[in-house]
Amino acid sequence: NAGVMQNPRHLVRRRGQEARLRCSPMKGHSHVYWYRQLPEEGLKFMVYLQKENIIDESGMPKERFSAEFPKEGPSILRIQQVVRGDSAAYFCASSPQGAANQPQHFGDGTRLSIL
Amino acid sequence: QQQVKQSPQSLIVQKGGISIINCAYENTAFDYFPWYQQFPGKGPALLIAIRPDVSEKKEGRFTISFNKSAKQFSLHIMDSQPGDSATYFCAATFGSSNTGKLIFGQGTTLQVKP
Repeated sequence: NAGVMQNPRHLVRRRGQEARLRCSPMKGHSHVYWYRQLPEEGLKFMVYLQKENIIDESGMPKERFSAEFPKEGPSILRIQQVVRGDSAAYFCASSPQGAANQPQHFGDGTRLSIL
Repeated sequence: QQQVKQSPQSLIVQKGGISIINCAYENTAFDYFPWYQQFPGKGPALLIAIRPDVSEKKEGRFTISFNKSAKQFSLHIMDSQPGDSATYFCAATFGSSNTGKLIFGQGTTLQVKP
């Protein structure tokens, strides 16, 4: 499967713990986007990264959330000290370029549940 | 100004009928408008997309109609089938920013009855 791979598919954390979500883009794609989908809502942009660089983090909450896309390995979305409101589906998308008309290919998401 | 408003929230159509989903936007800087289809437990998949210099684009049973002056665009699904039952999202993005981040509508849950 050459698609966008996200893991884990489901993640359960207790309040105050850390959550790490991983995303491996499609082969040949060096641009990664993270989106969050709250229940019964559309997807909200969080952050856009290229290899080793954060390009646009305008949708990221100011505290507890961080993202990286290292030279080697998957992109990581990290949520520290999780709270109940962080429960959502987190989707990663990749594209070959960061241009507006380049299609973004989505993974099947990580469903995060906070106890 | 960065919102995309989508309606209806849910839609029930008989097999063979036409499904119509509408979206409206405010920011005239948007210049790329994709539609995504999402099945339960899956990620969104690109269905069809349009740029504002085109009034209509058709791919198979799916057609986007674009009204630049009204700042509205819609998805028409002709001959709707039960397999089309899914959630549909319209989206928009800014060409000038060159980042490609998508602004999504709230989604429409489509049910096609056999």
